[in-house]
Order: sequence, then structure tokens, then C-alpha cells
Amino acid sequence: DTGVSQDPRHKITKRGQNVTFRCDPISEHNRLYWYRQTLGQGPEFLTYFQNEAQLEKSRLLSDRFSAERPKGSFSTLEIQRTEQGDSAMYLCASSLILAGADTQYFGPGTRLTVL
Amino acid sequence: SQQGEEDPQALSIQEGENATMNCSYKTSINNLQWYRQNSGRGLVHLILIRSNEREKHSGRLRVTLDTSKKSSSLLITASRAADTASYFCAMGSYNTDKLIFGTGTRLQVFP
Repeated sequence: DTGVSQDPRHKITKRGQNVTFRCDPISEHNRLYWYRQTLGQGPEFLTYFQNEAQLEKSRLLSDRFSAERPKGSFSTLEIQRTEQGDSAMYLCASSLILAGADTQYFGPGTRLTVL
Repeated sequence: SQQGEEDPQALSIQEGENATMNCSYKTSINNLQWYRQNSGRGLVHLILIRSNEREKHSGRLRVTLDTSKKSSSLLITASRAADTASYFCAMGSYNTDKLIFGTGTRLQVFP
């Protein structure tokens, strides 16, 4: 399968713990995006990369959140000192930007539950 | 939140009927995309329409875009039980490649 993959698919943690999620984009896609989705809502943008450069961060991304994309391949999203409000589905997407708008392809998501 | 709004929030129809979902947004867009999401899963891209296009077709899907009214519609013809899912519109703007998603329409198709 050459789609976007995310790991883990599910994560249950206790409040105050740190968690890290991984996203592997479609090979050769130069853009990688992170979104967060809570129950009954549409996804909300968190951040995106072009290759290894982080181009934009949402105000939703507090200081407890950090994302990296070393070498412009896979990406990690870390949440420190998790809070119950962080419980959500974290979605990763990738795209190949050549010119103009291009389709974003989404992974299956990581569902985080903070107890 | 900058989410677009979708209407209706929920829609129930019988197999074979057509389903129409509407999306309204507030800002200028470069493109508008529609996605489908089955319960608890990732999003599947359905169709992308650019701001200079007015209508686009893909199989049983027909999308229209009216930039003067800042609205779009998705029509699914001859619906099937497998079309049961949530449908989201997502707006792409000129100065950023992030997508702003609508609130979604939950479609249920009864056999």
C-alpha cells in the first residue's frame, strides 16, 4: 500500500504524559500536513511542512505541541503534558505541490484518548 | 473557528435516490475539495474544483461552485448503501495550502 500511513492507530494515555505520533507520507510527496478532528466536527489545521521546513503553524498548536519532519520524509507530532482536551483524532495528509492547488491525501488517523 | 458551514447536517435517503449537500464559506478560495469519511476513519478525497470552474463531474458525483455566492454543492446520484458516510467540503486559499473544513453532512442511505 503506497498511501499515507500513521502509527499508532490508537493511543490511550494518562493526563500529564507525553505522546508521539508518526506519519509516513506518500513517497515523493513534498508537502505534509497535520490536522486534528474532534467528534462531530470537521478536521482543523495544525501545521504543515514543505520538505523539512515547517511553513505554517495554527494558533491551535500550543507550546505543548511540536512537529518535525527530519530529512523531509516522515513526520512526528509530539504532545507534552497531555490534557483531556487533547483527546481527538490526529490526521496526517500529504500532497505533491507542482503548481497551484493539489489534492491532499489523508492517512487513517491516530485516535488519542487522554484519561 | 473559520470552518465553512454545510447544510443539511444530516440526510437520510433510500437507495437509488439522489443526495445533495451544500457548503457555504466566508473567504476567497483558490479551490474547493470534497471528502468522504466513514465512521472513525480517515478522509477519502472525492473531487477538487478550482475557483475558475463552475461544475465538475466524477462518476456519480457532480460538484458545482458559485464563487459570487461563496457556495458549493455536491450531488450524489443513484445513491447506494455504501455511500453512507460523512461528507466534508474543504476550502483552499491562495496564500496557504492548508484546508479549512466545513462542519460536515452525515449521509445515511437505507437499502
